[in-house]
Amino acid sequence: DQQVKQNSPSLSVQEGRISILNCDYTNSMFDYFLWYKKYPAEGPTFLISISSIKDKNEDGRFTVFLNKSAKHLSLHIVPSQPGDSAVYFCAANRDDKIIFGKGTRLHILP
Amino acid sequence: GAGVSQSPSNKVTEKGKDVELRCDPISGHTALYWYRQSLGQGLEFLIYFQGNSAPDKSGLPSDRFSAERTGGSVSTLTIQRTQQEDSAVYLCASSLLGQAMGELFFGEGSRLTVL
Repeated sequence: DQQVKQNSPSLSVQEGRISILNCDYTNSMFDYFLWYKKYPAEGPTFLISISSIKDKNEDGRFTVFLNKSAKHLSLHIVPSQPGDSAVYFCAANRDDKIIFGKGTRLHILP
Repeated sequence: GAGVSQSPSNKVTEKGKDVELRCDPISGHTALYWYRQSLGQGLEFLIYFQGNSAPDKSGLPSDRFSAERTGGSVSTLTIQRTQQEDSAVYLCASSLLGQAMGELFFGEGSRLTVL
């Protein structure tokens, strides 16, 4: 039973445009959500997070939106840059157990 | 170093052999996690330690997998009688809970290949 789902295995976006990565979850008890970025042969690195009591968190080019009623969150990257090409993992936390989705590979096209 | 350190970075073993993977978390981090990423798959939760105890072992795939943590620091993941389906990158992460609200700091992983 996959509690955190990223239904798009890959996404291609033109440089300078907005990248939108989506994530759905099934467990309404999750209280914190995180996005991680992973380059090949490296461990994932933390990008941005959001508490379940908020609906938006912004950090520079990155914004995460949370829709609790729909159990959906999204990561917006604008403007997209070549260095943003990576695999992005959505994760959810409850009682210190952090569950990851399968990831979405983002390709930024020149 | 200041980050999470994992060893070995690469391990090739024969089916049926035992392997040990080691993780040195960031100093002072109380929580330690093991995940595995098989080819083309996401991060699969294996086990989580708070201090030396493991409140959640639900992710361990079988009884061939075990993990321990000593002194609230170093952790070892042991796989007995390895099988080809155990081939994956095993990632360790640590966290200072309460400050980072679940932010995990990952090591670079140990790539295991079972022939």
